Amino acid sequence: GQQLNQSPQSMFIQEGEDVSMNCTSSSIFNTWLWYKQDPGEGPVLLIALYKAGELTSNGRLTAQFGITRKDSFLNISASIPSDVGIYFCAGQSANSKLTFGKGITLSVRP
Amino acid sequence: EADIYQTPRYLVIGTGKKITLECSQTMGHDKMYWYQQDPGMELHLIHYSYGVNSTEKGDLSSESTVSRIRTEHFPLTLESARPSHTSQYLCASSEGGSGYTFGSGTRLTVV
Repeated sequence: GQQLNQSPQSMFIQEGEDVSMNCTSSSIFNTWLWYKQDPGEGPVLLIALYKAGELTSNGRLTAQFGITRKDSFLNISASIPSDVGIYFCAGQSANSKLTFGKGITLSVRP
Repeated sequence: EADIYQTPRYLVIGTGKKITLECSQTMGHDKMYWYQQDPGMELHLIHYSYGVNSTEKGDLSSESTVSRIRTEHFPLTLESARPSHTSQYLCASSEGGSGYTFGSGTRLTVV
């Protein structure tokens, strides 16, 4: 079946630093999405990307849909303590079903 | 405001009890999903539905069952809870290609 690769499993950064996360797949997706999950809550959609090569920003977040349609990255600039959480990438197929990566747990040191 | 509601948020229950986790959405979405997630770990799809009277098993085998009698309602039932069922259960819904909207989850503990 389809699999998304997110690594590393955990990242530790200093407040104010930028951080970049990659997501790769062996399959092509029509849509790439990035979610953030706070402890004890459900994932919340951060950014959705619909076209190969698309670069989209949402505040301090920037994400890109890879040209090959098999990868995406998320960049967080000037990190703050509330950026702590689990970041999941997801690829959406033509049948609308989502495939999730295993997530990256981000820790921000003040 | 939340458009997809899960109740209860937390549940502690004894082994062998029957439980139903509720999930309702007000967006009119045809597609709904149940995920199981251990703390800090990946999401595992256990059930999904593409419409009323349609239910399918997901990628992770689960002893739970689901029903979809109304578009807005997708409850999950465990006939006899066991400690191995302790986990967080997340409900989601979708329409078209815009990703899923998740509820806040139910944290289940079976003692």
